[in-house]
Amino acid sequence: SAVISQKPSRDICQRGTSLTIQCQVDSQVTMMFWYRQQPGQSLTLIATANQGSEATYESGFVIDKFPISRPNLTFSTLTVSNLSPEDSSIYLCSVADGAGYGYTFGSGTRLTVV
Amino acid sequence: GQNIDQPTEMTATEGAIVQINCTYQTSGFNGLFWYQQHAGEAPTFLSYNVLDGLEEKGRFSSFLSRSKGYSYLLLKELQMKDSASYLCAVNMNRDDKIIFGKGTRLHILP
Repeated sequence: SAVISQKPSRDICQRGTSLTIQCQVDSQVTMMFWYRQQPGQSLTLIATANQGSEATYESGFVIDKFPISRPNLTFSTLTVSNLSPEDSSIYLCSVADGAGYGYTFGSGTRLTVV
Repeated sequence: GQNIDQPTEMTATEGAIVQINCTYQTSGFNGLFWYQQHAGEAPTFLSYNVLDGLEEKGRFSSFLSRSKGYSYLLLKELQMKDSASYLCAVNMNRDDKIIFGKGTRLHILP
């Protein structure tokens, strides 16, 4: 299965600033997915990142707040902009490993906004 | 809208068997996944069902009924390390994305 390197693993950020999270995959993948997991909750899909096109955002998530880059088939970034305490959460990237083999997740980025 | 339901919490005893149910109502269906997530860690893949029936993998089995929009994860010979959250997720065949249920927190008692 794919191996994902996600950075940073955690950060504490000031209100009003931004944080960019990176995910590097050890193989080429068509789509990468970005999730948010709020404390004690399950995973909520933010957007799907396709190489060479705009990301597709889920209801409740907008590009101005969560801009995504996908410069090639092994790398993506998610930026969380204009941070507020409500953005404190774990953010995870994910890729599909192929039919029936599940989806692999990065180790997550724990963001705390103060 | 999409809806995936599973119990919030369950408790079972070490060595016993537990069944975690998941029901779903989605606009499309291309398979159902079960994931395990220990506190502070990323989810790890357990099973995938796309056809009706039971898939067995060691101590873990997963069942799917597409006509009923229903799945369960069966854990046998429970061990303390099985204490975790178990997430049901559906692939709706749109952009290959998967949508998660709220997860079931499983507590194992000695």
